[in-house]
Amino acid sequence: DIQMTQSPSTLSASVGDRVTITCRASQSINRWLAWYQQKPGKAPKLLIYKASNLESGVSSRFSGSGSGTDFTLTVSSLQPDDFATYYCQQYNIYPLTFGGGTKVEIK
Amino acid sequence: EVQLVESGGGLVKPGGSLRLSCAASGFTFSSYSMNWVRQAPGKGLEWVASISSTGSYKKYADSVEGRFTISRDNAKNSLDLQMNSLRAEDTALYRCAREDRINSYPIDYWGQGTQVTVSS
Repeated sequence: DIQMTQSPSTLSASVGDRVTITCRASQSINRWLAWYQQKPGKAPKLLIYKASNLESGVSSRFSGSGSGTDFTLTVSSLQPDDFATYYCQQYNIYPLTFGGGTKVEIK
Repeated sequence: EVQLVESGGGLVKPGGSLRLSCAASGFTFSSYSMNWVRQAPGKGLEWVASISSTGSYKKYADSVEGRFTISRDNAKNSLDLQMNSLRAEDTALYRCAREDRINSYPIDYWGQGTQVTVSS
């Protein structure tokens, strides 16, 4: 199975900050990586697919990069609505696997 | 509007069974792979099972292989998960989720979930 490791697990930031979350795969997944945002009590929301493609309707504050085993999600200027938990997921091969999540908290 | 609505969750004793259902609407159900993904209280996301658009191919997480069965009825736009030999560690919110596997597109819509609690 491909293990997905996210860091940090928790991130404290202020409105307006630029934040970066990293995700590392235990083996190459090419660019078959997605990023999701989840708020308490809600279903996850797709932000980025194929490592760097912005999902329709998602703010351009969000961007993704990487290929192979190392990936990043960047929020260019954190807004109040962005405080949430973020997950990466590989969809290269089964079993589909998720990172452990990064909780973005208000500093 | 894409809608995925789960049902069938509840409280069950260890070793018991439960059948979850997911009613899909707002899209061409037969064109998409479907998944079940669970989330234990306060924990992260765990993929459980996938089924191809035609139902021909099924994949399971090791943790549920041999105990859970995923199925679909494209005529009824419905997805099921038969869960047998339930364990305490199966306690979670179970969500159905759409995936366009044919076009290499990840899960893009999720239901709100149905709670499964396994406890004596």
